[in-house]
Amino acid sequence: EDQVTQSPEALRLQEGESSSLNCSYTVSGLRGLFWYRQDPGKGPEFLFTLYSAGEEKEKERLKATLTKKESFLHITAPKPEDSATYLCAVYAGNNRKLIWGLGTSLAVNP
Amino acid sequence: GAVVSQHPSWVICKSGTSVKIECRSLDFQATTMFWYRQFPKQSLMLMATSNEGSKATYEQGVEKDKFLINHASLTLSTLTVTSAHPEDSSFYICSAGENSNQPQHFGDGTRLSIL
Repeated sequence: EDQVTQSPEALRLQEGESSSLNCSYTVSGLRGLFWYRQDPGKGPEFLFTLYSAGEEKEKERLKATLTKKESFLHITAPKPEDSATYLCAVYAGNNRKLIWGLGTSLAVNP
Repeated sequence: GAVVSQHPSWVICKSGTSVKIECRSLDFQATTMFWYRQFPKQSLMLMATSNEGSKATYEQGVEKDKFLINHASLTLSTLTVTSAHPEDSSFYICSAGENSNQPQHFGDGTRLSIL
């Protein structure tokens, strides 16, 4: 069964304290892996798409990487405004539906 | 970038009322849109896949007569919660993507509260 698992479930960082969020997946035929950010009371905001192992994408303090079994979202020198829930999702096989992880709730303290 | 607009953002109504939520793709055409429900501190739960010009595909356990979906054009899908009851109170979010390998983009969600 296709599955996406995110860890940790929650993470609290001090401002400037870099860290990484993990998204591991077991799917047949990965077609794409997506990272989203969700703020309370809002829909998910698209961050990155990764299609093949070895691919990396960067945007400001965030960098996403992909291997054949997992993806990392690296956060460098986070700021309080980076506090949000980060969601990972994949397209697999012929399925048009996204398979979602449960998310990592990130809190960055000033 | 692809923009999805959802309306209304917040609805409060009495039990028994039917509520319609609109989802529009503003700068692209979407043959497929998706409707999700999200409970507090939980991830997204797919309710149904909305297909332009044909019937929606509902996930297991989702009542199709309760949650009516219409996708009459390439830029608009609607979700109608019929005869809503307090247990239907939730956060409903729609999404759409330009094709099957592109990321889905989400509306800002609709907070539905049934009294």
